[in-house]
Amino acid sequence: NAGVMQNPRHLVRRRGQEARLRCSPMKGHSHVYWYRQLPEEGLKFMVYLQKENIIDESGMPKERFSAEFPKEGPSILRIQQVVRGDSAAYFCASSMTGASEGYTFGSGTRLTVV
Amino acid sequence: GENVEQHPSTLSVQEGDSAVIKCTYSDSASNYFPWYKQELGKRPQLIIDIRSNVGEKKDQRIAVTLNKTAKHFSLHITETQPEDSAVYFCAASEGYGNKLVFGAGTILRVKS
Repeated sequence: NAGVMQNPRHLVRRRGQEARLRCSPMKGHSHVYWYRQLPEEGLKFMVYLQKENIIDESGMPKERFSAEFPKEGPSILRIQQVVRGDSAAYFCASSMTGASEGYTFGSGTRLTVV
Repeated sequence: GENVEQHPSTLSVQEGDSAVIKCTYSDSASNYFPWYKQELGKRPQLIIDIRSNVGEKKDQRIAVTLNKTAKHFSLHITETQPEDSAVYFCAASEGYGNKLVFGAGTILRVKS
């Protein structure tokens, strides 16, 4: 089992460009969670998805950010028109039956906006 | 929603001493409390967890205690070693298990 796979590991974007972050959950896991971690800060919840459905997006900014988890393929976190404040590590986690069974995290994508 | 507070933010101990990190939560319906360890530049990894139907759980040098009445839980590391140096995060599930809410983290430094 390859674990939770995130790519790219590092992503550099200029202000105004789009960033696409990908997450493939562990085999058999249908619950995906995205968190953002600013330097020397904690893990802030962004969005929780199951296949083809957004379950909870209460932590995601209303503008410029979107997430999907299609029937086939990885989950995608998309940030449009990036700004310097979007620079952070974005971690994806997956679980088999939900948060009460614990998460397995991916290695993260470190987004730098220049 | 759930709110998790974690203390201290930094903790320095001498190798071989014990380290204790404390967390409080707000949602009385929370039923799952994991602890994650994150080394510099790496992913958070689950080290121990506890459910609301038990008060204490131990795994070698690591133990977690839970007081549901007071809504707080703690991580105890005994006989600390330099490789224990990392950031530790506590978390609590929201009452209906939708997601985990994390504390702000504790930077643990073990001095040899």
